[in-house]
Amino acid sequence: KQEVTQIPAALSVPEGENLVLNCSFTDSAIYNLQWFRQDPGKGLTSLLLIQSSQREQTSGRLNASLDKSSGRSTLYIAASQPGDSATYLCAGSAVNFGNEKLTFGTGTRLTIIP
Amino acid sequence: DGGITQSPKYLFRKEGQNVTLSCEQNLNHDAMYWYRQDPGQGLRLIYYSQIVNDFQKGDIAEGYSVSREKKESFPLTVTSAQKNPTAFYLCASRTWGTDTQYFGPGTRLTVL
Repeated sequence: KQEVTQIPAALSVPEGENLVLNCSFTDSAIYNLQWFRQDPGKGLTSLLLIQSSQREQTSGRLNASLDKSSGRSTLYIAASQPGDSATYLCAGSAVNFGNEKLTFGTGTRLTIIP
Repeated sequence: DGGITQSPKYLFRKEGQNVTLSCEQNLNHDAMYWYRQDPGQGLRLIYYSQIVNDFQKGDIAEGYSVSREKKESFPLTVTSAQKNPTAFYLCASRTWGTDTQYFGPGTRLTVL
C-alpha cells in the first residue's frame, strides 16, 4: 500500500529565500506524482504533475523533481514571496489504478515572513 | 465561468440525520471524486465515478453513498451510519486524456 510522507509539517522562511519541500513515498511503482497548493479553508490547486517517465517539471518559480528509485519528490520554490504562504500537498497515484486513486501526504504548511 | 461548485460551504447536522453535499461541474469532465480531509491527515478518497451511472468505492466508503445520474453532478450523502462525519469534504473532477484533478472549494460539515 502506498504511503506518502511530508516532512516538516510546518516551515517558516524569510521572504526572498529559495526553499525546498520534501515528499517521500513507499512504493516506487508510481504512475505520477502531483503537487498541490491549498489555502486555508479552500480547495486544492494543482501546481505541477510529474509523470513516472519524467524527472522534473517547471512552472515559473516552481520546480518539482521525481526520483522513483529513492522514493522522493521535491518542490523547489525560488525567490519566495508572502503570497506563497499556503499548505503544499503531494499526491502519488498507483500504476494499477492510473489516475483513479491518489494517495496524499499530510502537507507542509509554509509561511513566508515579510 | 467554468469550474466546480460545492454547496453549501458550511453545513451543520444533528446526530442521526442524513445530509447530502452537492458537487456540480461545468467543465464537461468525465470522472468525479469525493475526498474527506481531517486535521493532520491527508485527503482520503471516499467514492469516485468514471462515467454516468457508474461509481466505485474508495478507501473510506462506509457510511457514505453517491449517485451519478448526470455527467455534471455527483452528490454525496453522509448517512447516520458514518460514525465521525465532521470533516472538510472536497469534490474533484478530471477529463480523459489528462492526469490532473481539479478541485472544488469544499464543504465543511459539522455534526452537533
